[in-house]
Amino acid sequence: NAGVMQNPRHLVRRRGQEARLRCSPMKGHSHVYWYRQLPEEGLKFMVYLQKENIIDESGMPKERFSAEFPKEGPSILRIQQVVRGDSAAYFCASSVERRGNTIYFGEGSWLTVV
Amino acid sequence: EDQVTQSPEALRLQEGESSSLNCSYTVSGLRGLFWYRQDPGKGPEFLFTLYSAGEEKEKERLKATLTKKESFLHITAPKPEDSATYLCAVQGVDSSYKLIFGSGTRLLVRP
Repeated sequence: NAGVMQNPRHLVRRRGQEARLRCSPMKGHSHVYWYRQLPEEGLKFMVYLQKENIIDESGMPKERFSAEFPKEGPSILRIQQVVRGDSAAYFCASSVERRGNTIYFGEGSWLTVV
Repeated sequence: EDQVTQSPEALRLQEGESSSLNCSYTVSGLRGLFWYRQDPGKGPEFLFTLYSAGEEKEKERLKATLTKKESFLHITAPKPEDSATYLCAVQGVDSSYKLIFGSGTRLLVRP
């Protein structure tokens, strides 16, 4: 039973480039969440999506960041014109339904901006 | 605003030396309190969910308890493989889909 799959695991981008992070939720899960973990900081909520819908993006920076979860295919977190401060671990998580159910995390995508 | 504070920030134990990690929380209404374990370079691994005060859950050497204001993760006779960062998170009734995390407790168990 595959868990939450994220790719790439490691990504290096130069300042100004775009980063695309992909997430396939656990089988049967229709709710996807993205979290960011900055160096030496805790996990911070970014966005919550269901298929074809953004439910809550209150934790997402207003500029350069976007997320989608299309009807077919993985969820994508897109960061345009990356800056050094975007260097972090980005974790995707999924659950069966949003209230009170266990949220399972992937192994993360580690973005380094040089 | 929902908030989670974990203590201590770091804890060193000898193998077999039992101890407890604390998670204090403030939330308008608690939907669930979650404990995760995170190893370096890995994603959080689910351990427990607690839903109401008085609830307890156990898994191997770990036992989680919950009161109205805090949760404890008790580690009995730890082994070096228990070394990790332990994360506590709350899910509120008003924003039940969002987990608010504490900064974690880094546990090191020496042989």
